[in-house]
Amino acid sequence: EPEVTQTPSHQVTQMGQEVILRCVPISNHLYFYWYRQILGQKVEFLVSFYNNEISEKSEIFDDQFSVERPDGSNFTLKIRSTKLEDSAMYFCASSEGVNTIYFGEGSWLTVV
Amino acid sequence: AQSVTQPDIHITVSEGASLELRCNYSYGATPYLFWYVQSPGQGLQLLLKYFSGDTLVQGIKGFEAEFKRSQSSFNLRKPSVHWSDAAEYFCAVVLPLSGGYNKLIFGAGTRLAVHP
Repeated sequence: EPEVTQTPSHQVTQMGQEVILRCVPISNHLYFYWYRQILGQKVEFLVSFYNNEISEKSEIFDDQFSVERPDGSNFTLKIRSTKLEDSAMYFCASSEGVNTIYFGEGSWLTVV
Repeated sequence: AQSVTQPDIHITVSEGASLELRCNYSYGATPYLFWYVQSPGQGLQLLLKYFSGDTLVQGIKGFEAEFKRSQSSFNLRKPSVHWSDAAEYFCAVVLPLSGGYNKLIFGAGTRLAVHP
């Protein structure tokens, strides 16, 4: 079964550093998303992406964050100048349309 | 505001016992409904989904869920729980956005513990 893959699975970074989380969505999917889950809290929507542009973003997704689809297969989340409170599990997801969203295994980010 | 409520934060059941995890949503129309499971340190795995039609849906791992419009509920059930079912379970709702994009709203989750 096709799946969403994410790298790295774990990353530790120093506060103030830039982080790029990578995702390969399911190949025939057109909609891409990032969600995050702070430890012990609910999963939160960050951003959705379609046709090479952001279609919606949450209030969490401020200027510190950016997304990009640099080629035909990858979808990245960049976090500039990381803060301690950015420590979380970041999930990439994709969907074909207005139907099921499939999630990757997540990338644990720890900011120290 | 739209929301998803999972009233039980923790549930403990004995192996072999039946299970029901509750989920209620607050949304003007009938949304698309999902249950996801997350094992410790793992990603979110889709258990089942409801879009329309038969209100009792079957999922993987022996789970089923019933959509009740009158109660705005989508409770997850399993007749006989296995120790490997211990995990966190998330109910989620899709809010169709303009242009057909999806934005999942998650409940807070229910952590299931299974006693031998």
